[in-house]
Amino acid sequence: EPEVTQTPSHQVTQMGQEVILRCVPISNHLYFYWYRQILGQKVEFLVSFYNNEISEKSEIFDDQFSVERPDGSNFTLKIRSTKLEDSAMYFCASSLDRGGGYTFGSGTRLTVV
Amino acid sequence: SQQGEEDPQALSIQEGENATMNCSYKTSINNLQWYRQNSGRGLVHLILIRSNEREKHSGRLRVTLDTSKKSSSLLITASRAADTASYFCATDDQAGGAQKLVFGQGTRLTINP
Repeated sequence: EPEVTQTPSHQVTQMGQEVILRCVPISNHLYFYWYRQILGQKVEFLVSFYNNEISEKSEIFDDQFSVERPDGSNFTLKIRSTKLEDSAMYFCASSLDRGGGYTFGSGTRLTVV
Repeated sequence: SQQGEEDPQALSIQEGENATMNCSYKTSINNLQWYRQNSGRGLVHLILIRSNEREKHSGRLRVTLDTSKKSSSLLITASRAADTASYFCATDDQAGGAQKLVFGQGTRLTINP
């Protein structure tokens, strides 16, 4: 069964450092997303991406965040200058169309120290 | 903002029993989805029910949707130890033409052998 692949599974970084979280969505999917889940809290929407541009972003997705689809397969989330409160599990997801089910990756656990 | 809110927050039952989890939301939706999350792992899509559907089945899962009450239920029949996980409902939000999911806090289901 097709999967969304995320790397790394766990990343520890120092506050102020830049991190790039990587995702390979399902190959024929057209919509891509990043969500995050702070430990013990809800899964929160960060950003959606379609046709090589951001479709929508949440209030969390401020200027420190950016997304990119550098080639036909990868979808990345960059946090420019990490803060302690960025520590969370970050999930990438993709969907074939709007109104359909999502396929989520296994997540990257980001720990900012 | 619209939210999926599950209850109960935690449910513990014996193996073989049925488990019922409920979800309420606040605004109009196009679809409602249920996801499962094993501890510290990714989100697994279980089932999607559209706003014009009232009930849907998938294996041991049965989902109902009552749009007049803005509520949904997930029933797992003949529960197994492997069903132990957190279960989330998520409602779609197509504001602005994009698609994003709004997750509830989840129900932590424990199946006791």
